[in-house]
Amino acid sequence: EVKLVESGGGLVQPGRSLKLSCAASGFSFNDYWMGWVRQAPGKGLEWIGEINQDSSTINYTPSLKDKFTISRDNAQNTLYLQMSKLGSEDTAIYYCARAQAVYFDYWGQGVMVTVSS
Amino acid sequence: DIQMTQSPASLSASLEEIVTITCKASQGIDDYLSWYQQKPGKSPQLLIYDATSLADGVPSRFSGSRSGTQYSLKISRPQVDDSGIYYCLQSYSTPYTFGAGTKLELK
Repeated sequence: EVKLVESGGGLVQPGRSLKLSCAASGFSFNDYWMGWVRQAPGKGLEWIGEINQDSSTINYTPSLKDKFTISRDNAQNTLYLQMSKLGSEDTAIYYCARAQAVYFDYWGQGVMVTVSS
Repeated sequence: DIQMTQSPASLSASLEEIVTITCKASQGIDDYLSWYQQKPGKSPQLLIYDATSLADGVPSRFSGSRSGTQYSLKISRPQVDDSGIYYCLQSYSTPYTFGAGTKLELK
């Protein structure tokens, strides 16, 4: 069974950093692109970015490129999202998702990040 | 960036109707279009990929089609369990972009 479990969320002060993790199981992690998507409270889905199997290609939505860094550890079957200079606009549920070709076939349950003083 | 204009924003439908949700792309996206269903408090679930292919385990009452740069999700004789928010996603070019979502209520 494919499972994606995000962790590392919580309350963080504006301007600080936070690193999310996504633990993958039930499939060969190093065979798949992986991605991050977020959803602000009561809002729609926003694609953050994606990373290929060997981390040689990482794509971001332009507005987040200088704040967020996607990485992965294939030995640990884990995807990461390093977030810096956080602002209230980054308050959201963050989902990791497995990319099957160019669509997302499995999603994690999401982790909440709240940016507030 | 490619814009995905999704409509309607919300709709209420009966169990006997055919529900149609559309996403119009601002340029050609070569059928790199997927549809997702999200229920309250849950993560999105894949319904349709490559514009017309049904994801594993998705009921056959869901279908996808394309006309020009407009993509449609159709639900034939929806069930109460189909209530939720539906999103399209273009993955033709980065940054990938979602439609704004359609909230479906079944009555």
